[in-house]
Amino acid sequence: GDSVIQMQGQVTLSENDFLFINCTYSTTGYPTLFWYVQYSGEGPQLLLQVTTANNKGSSRGFEATYDKGTTSFHLQKTSVQEIDSAVYYCAMRERGNSGTYQRFGTGTKLQVVP
Amino acid sequence: EAAVTQSPRNKVAVTGGKVTLSCNQTNNHNNMYWYRQDTGHGLRLIHYSYGAGSTEKGDIPDGYKASRPSQENFSLILELATPSQTSVYFCASGDRDRVPERLFFGHGTKLSVL
Repeated sequence: GDSVIQMQGQVTLSENDFLFINCTYSTTGYPTLFWYVQYSGEGPQLLLQVTTANNKGSSRGFEATYDKGTTSFHLQKTSVQEIDSAVYYCAMRERGNSGTYQRFGTGTKLQVVP
Repeated sequence: EAAVTQSPRNKVAVTGGKVTLSCNQTNNHNNMYWYRQDTGHGLRLIHYSYGAGSTEKGDIPDGYKASRPSQENFSLILELATPSQTSVYFCASGDRDRVPERLFFGHGTKLSVL
């Protein structure tokens, strides 16, 4: 079946380190892909999205490239800050019976230490 | 700013009891969703709705019912709560006429079934 895979459960970095969170997906075609961020005590919120294969999305210094060859949508940031500490979810648009919904990965918890 | 409000924020229930989680959105969005969040599983879709009067099963609907009496309200019902339903539940809304659809989440309901 369709799936969104995030292999990293937790990542710990120091401030100004480079961030790389991997995400791969399995489905037919080229679905819209999303990254959501969840800060402590809040619900997830959209960070960025990309609709077309081989395109790039960016927001707040984060960047992700849709690679249809490797079916991946990894999230990167050049220099993380303590305020970036959060859980990051990769998600994929899916078709339901009468419309669409989003399938999420298992999430990656990022901890940035000063 | 889009607003999704969940109630209650915290709930303790007894095994076998009935639990109703409520969600209200003021975004005038057609689509609404219920997800549960568990460590190691991420966000999993339970039920969703494309408009008043409609509900669809998600990936893990067993043990849950949903009700969408109006555009604004979407409830999740546990008729016979079990300890395995202890989790954090998130409601989200989305505009089906916006492509791609961005989801707006509530702050979550933490449910403990004893």
